[in-house]
Amino acid sequence: GQQLNQSPQSMFIQEGEDVSMNCTSSSIFNTWLWYKQDPGEGPVLLIALYKAGELTSNGRLTAQFGITRKDSFLNISASIPSDVGIYFCVSSNTGKLIFGQGTTLQVKP
Amino acid sequence: NAGVTQTPKFRVLKTGQSMTLLCAQDMNHEYMYWYRQDPGMGLRLIHYSVGEGTTAKGEVPDGYNVSRLKKQNFLLGLESAAPSQTSVYFCASVAGTEAFFGQGTRLTVV
Repeated sequence: GQQLNQSPQSMFIQEGEDVSMNCTSSSIFNTWLWYKQDPGEGPVLLIALYKAGELTSNGRLTAQFGITRKDSFLNISASIPSDVGIYFCVSSNTGKLIFGQGTTLQVKP
Repeated sequence: NAGVTQTPKFRVLKTGQSMTLLCAQDMNHEYMYWYRQDPGMGLRLIHYSVGEGTTAKGEVPDGYNVSRLKKQNFLLGLESAAPSQTSVYFCASVAGTEAFFGQGTRLTVV
């Protein structure tokens, strides 16, 4: 089936550092989504991307939809302790939401 | 998310027992999904529904059944639980491309 390959699998960073993670696929998608899951909670939508090349920001978060439509990245600037969690790239195809494996982020105060 | 409610939140089953997980949404969404989450594997789609009375298989449907008799409810059943079904189960209700998740059900099969 279709797969989204997300990297890195985990990151342990110092508060204040910038973070970058990405997602690639062998398939072309029309939508890229980034979700965050806090411990013990369900995932919550952070950013949605609908056009190739689109660059969208949400506060300290910035995400881009790759020109080839096969990849996307998410950047977090000036990380803070509440950024801790699992970040998922997600794409949509024929009504199904497909999840990457997730990037676990830990922030050291 | 207040719009999607999962019950129960926790459950321990013995191998071979059956149970039903309930997902209820009050947002009038057509699409609903059941996922399982295992460490390092993201969320994998079990079954989904595009409307009342319809269901379809996802990525990992074996050992599970679902029903969508009412638009607001999506039930996930395990007829004969196995230890491999120990996981955290999430239900989602979808509008467009945004999914609203419940808080999850932690299931342990011993």
